[in-house]
Amino acid sequence: AQKITQTQPGMFVQEKEAVTLDCTYDTSDQSYGLFWYKQPSSGEMIFLIYQGSYDEQNATEGRYSLNFQKARKSANLVISASQLGDSAMYFCAMSTRGGSYIPTFGRGTSLIVHP
Amino acid sequence: DGGITQSPKYLFRKEGQNVTLSCEQNLNHDAMYWYRQDPGQGLRLIYYSQIVNDFQKGDIAEGYSVSREKKESFPLTVTSAQKNPTAFYLCASSMGDRGTGANVLTFGAGSRLTVL
Repeated sequence: AQKITQTQPGMFVQEKEAVTLDCTYDTSDQSYGLFWYKQPSSGEMIFLIYQGSYDEQNATEGRYSLNFQKARKSANLVISASQLGDSAMYFCAMSTRGGSYIPTFGRGTSLIVHP
Repeated sequence: DGGITQSPKYLFRKEGQNVTLSCEQNLNHDAMYWYRQDPGQGLRLIYYSQIVNDFQKGDIAEGYSVSREKKESFPLTVTSAQKNPTAFYLCASSMGDRGTGANVLTFGAGSRLTVL
């Protein structure tokens, strides 16, 4: 069985500051992928970043980076230099070989960026 | 532009009625998915299809049905058997299982169903 846990229901950050959104996962598979998606108030889910279980380097995409700690089974999202437009729900997801690589999602974290 | 179109955006249903949510993609993706989103629950998988004329139940398939007669289309029917259908429904597509974990989903804008 695979499970994604996001323990922060809500987070606040000052504009231009960095923020870390937590995600832990549980799987017995050796081959898996970890994802972060953003959901603005409009409702559409937007893919942000991906990390494969065999990737040794942390993934980065512009202001987004994924802090992958395999031994601790964590995949935290770091947003640098927060912007007002970053205010949204953020979902961590995982796909595993045993789950036919169908993504399973966490419950999400609401991020509010203050000016 | 390539993408996923969901319709209608908002839908109201009386108890006992079946309703069908449309999902069309022009990304030439093999796999399509339906997720349900409730406040504080994240996304839960209803059905998925990895190839035309084949689909699989997800975690919460009871009260729902789907079809995949064309690669581009994956409609979801919410039947009267679904006890609590009021929710936000998201359709997604992807290139499917390539033997790696990199199954990135592209989502539609969602359909919000309210039962009156």
